[in-house]
Amino acid sequence: GDSVTQMEGPVTLSEEACLTINCTYTATGYPSLFWYVQYPGEGLQLLLKATKADDKGSNKGFEATYRKETTSFHLEKGSVQVSDSAVYFCALSDRRTGGFKTIFGAGTRLFVKA
Amino acid sequence: GAVVSQHPSRVICKSGTSVKIECRSLDFQATTMFWYRQFPKQSLMLMATSNEGSKATYEQGVEKDKFLINHASLTLSTLTVTSAHPEDSSFYICSAPGQGDTEAFFGQGTRLTVV
Repeated sequence: GDSVTQMEGPVTLSEEACLTINCTYTATGYPSLFWYVQYPGEGLQLLLKATKADDKGSNKGFEATYRKETTSFHLEKGSVQVSDSAVYFCALSDRRTGGFKTIFGAGTRLFVKA
Repeated sequence: GAVVSQHPSRVICKSGTSVKIECRSLDFQATTMFWYRQFPKQSLMLMATSNEGSKATYEQGVEKDKFLINHASLTLSTLTVTSAHPEDSSFYICSAPGQGDTEAFFGQGTRLTVV
C-alpha cells in the first residue's frame, strides 16, 4: 500500500540555519503530497502542498518540490527561527485510489535554538 | 478556508466511563470524516472512516465496540470511547475532505486522559 518515509528526528538547529527534512513516498497512483506542522499541544496545520509532479509548494519561507522521478518531497527552509520549533509531518493523499485518507510519515521533531 | 471544529480540546475522565468527541465541518458538508489517534511522540494512525448514513469502516486492529462512531449528519461525526481505560489516553484528531480537492482539513484535536 501507499506509504511515507521521512527522516527521523529530532533535528536541532541554531537560529538562521538551513533546514532540510527528507521525505520519500510509495504510491500506486499519483498522489497529492503535503507537509503538516504540529506545534506543541496543538492540532495539525497544513504548511504546504503539491498536487502534481514538479509542483513546488511554499509557505512561510518553507518550500518542497514534488519529484516524481525520485518519489520525494523534501521540506526546506533557508533560515529557521525559534518559532519554527514543532513536529513536521510529510503526508500523501490519493483521491483516486485511497479516497480522502491521508497517510502520514512518522514525523520529524525540530528544535531551533536562539 | 474550510474549517473543522473538534470538541472538547481536552478531557480527563475516570476509568470505566465513556467519553464523546465531536467533529464538525463548519462551512461545508462532509459525507466522510476520518478519525486518527496519535500516541506520544508518534505519528497519526488512521482509526476509522466515518460515513454519513452508514456504518463506519474501521482499520485493522481497532475495536469497533470500544470506539463507537456515529455520523449523524453531513456536518457532524462523533467518536465515543466506551469504558475508557488509561491505555486509551491519547490525542484524537478528526479530518474531513474539502470539496473537489485531495486536501483534508483537520480539527484541533482532543487530548484524552483516563485516570
